[in-house]
Amino acid sequence: QVQLQESDPGLVKPSETLSLTCTVSGGSISTYYWSWIRQPPGKGLEWIAYIYYSGSTNYNPSLKSRVTISVDTSKNQFSLKLSSVTAADTAVYYCARDLYHYGSGLGYWGQGTLVPVSS
Amino acid sequence: SSELTQDPAVSVALGQTVRITCQGDSLRSYYGSWYQQKPGQAPVLVIYGKDNRPSGIPDRFSGSSSGNTASLTITGAQAEDEADYYCNSRDSSGNHLVFGGGTKLTVL
Repeated sequence: QVQLQESDPGLVKPSETLSLTCTVSGGSISTYYWSWIRQPPGKGLEWIAYIYYSGSTNYNPSLKSRVTISVDTSKNQFSLKLSSVTAADTAVYYCARDLYHYGSGLGYWGQGTLVPVSS
Repeated sequence: SSELTQDPAVSVALGQTVRITCQGDSLRSYYGSWYQQKPGQAPVLVIYGKDNRPSGIPDRFSGSSSGNTASLTITGAQAEDEADYYCNSRDSSGNHLVFGGGTKLTVL
């Protein structure tokens, strides 16, 4: 059974860069599409970006200028960097995988990690 | 703003049938997926594709689509179905994923 686990970066200060890693177990990262999604407290879900194991990426247009997603197949991990954060970036961040092909439905999710942005 | 629109809240009597809808232009081209999220938990995929349930999802959950609207139907709602439900699909470009704003389902 595929399992995903987000890292916990702790408190991030405004204007700094938020960094997260998702570790995949129970299966290889070397296939499928891998996404980051976030959810501000009390609000809805927002897709941030995806990466294919080959390195192909796509980003939410509203966040594209601040987001970088990368993959490390040797470690079975993929990562997210969000720069110039503000309090509005405070959210639970989830990593997830499509069930089959891209857009088929996010069938596997990490438990999520709350990242507060505050001075 | 989301390209997929959901009613913010819906209620259903215990044991009755409820339909939760999601509207968006991209749904004319792509199937929607549906997720159930309970407080403090990660979302769980309950419907994907035309009308497919992942392993472990009860058969009282079903999906359908017509025009620009995707629907999630719960036939015989149970108390444990009370949750937030989100739809999700590709956007009109096909390159990005989008989520609806979510529907809070209350089981009375």
